[in-house]
Amino acid sequence: SQTIHQWPATLVQPVGSPLSLECTVEGTSNPNLYWYRQAAGRGLQLLFYSVGIGQISSEVPQNLSASRPQDRQFILSSKKLLLSDSGFYLCAWLGPDGYTFGSGTRLTVV
Amino acid sequence: DAKTTQPPSMDCAEGRAANLPCNHSTISGNEYVYWYRQIHSQGPQYIIHGLKNNETNEMASLIITEDRKSSTLILPHATLRDTAVYYCIVRLRGLNAGNMLTFGGGTRLMVKP
Repeated sequence: SQTIHQWPATLVQPVGSPLSLECTVEGTSNPNLYWYRQAAGRGLQLLFYSVGIGQISSEVPQNLSASRPQDRQFILSSKKLLLSDSGFYLCAWLGPDGYTFGSGTRLTVV
Repeated sequence: DAKTTQPPSMDCAEGRAANLPCNHSTISGNEYVYWYRQIHSQGPQYIIHGLKNNETNEMASLIITEDRKSSTLILPHATLRDTAVYYCIVRLRGLNAGNMLTFGGGTRLMVKP
């Protein structure tokens, strides 16, 4: 069966510091992977998606970037965090019957 | 993806059925209705999906109207652990990378003892 791993679960970072969130998928090959962000009390906002190694599509202009260095690895990064980058970040994998989400990373920028 | 409309919140007594409505009047013929839920501080969890026939699994039942313009998610015996935000989404089925989810505000279901 397919599983998706996302870490860390929580993160507190100062403004201006870098960010790296990692997501890996097991049990499938060449997955479509997604990064979403959820602000407190709101719905999910799509940030990036990737259909394969080195292929990244950005949905929203922002202070973040994404990379797909390996088939089952998807990384969300920032060189300098802003206060507005705080939120709940979710990695998702798209399978035949819908999405499977990771457990999320709650990022607080202070 | 077609837009959906859900009530922002609902209450349900523990042990009773929870019926969560969703309107999707602009759904196209090849779009499916999907339901997810998100328990506080966790990622969304898939519940069920359907095209036009009613569906049932171990978690819930999905009732889709004949004109497909609305649907109802039924949790037959709600428990306290079913307290979550429930999202109704309509989308094409398949692995098209552009086939991304658009989550609205959902319905916050509060199951009370």
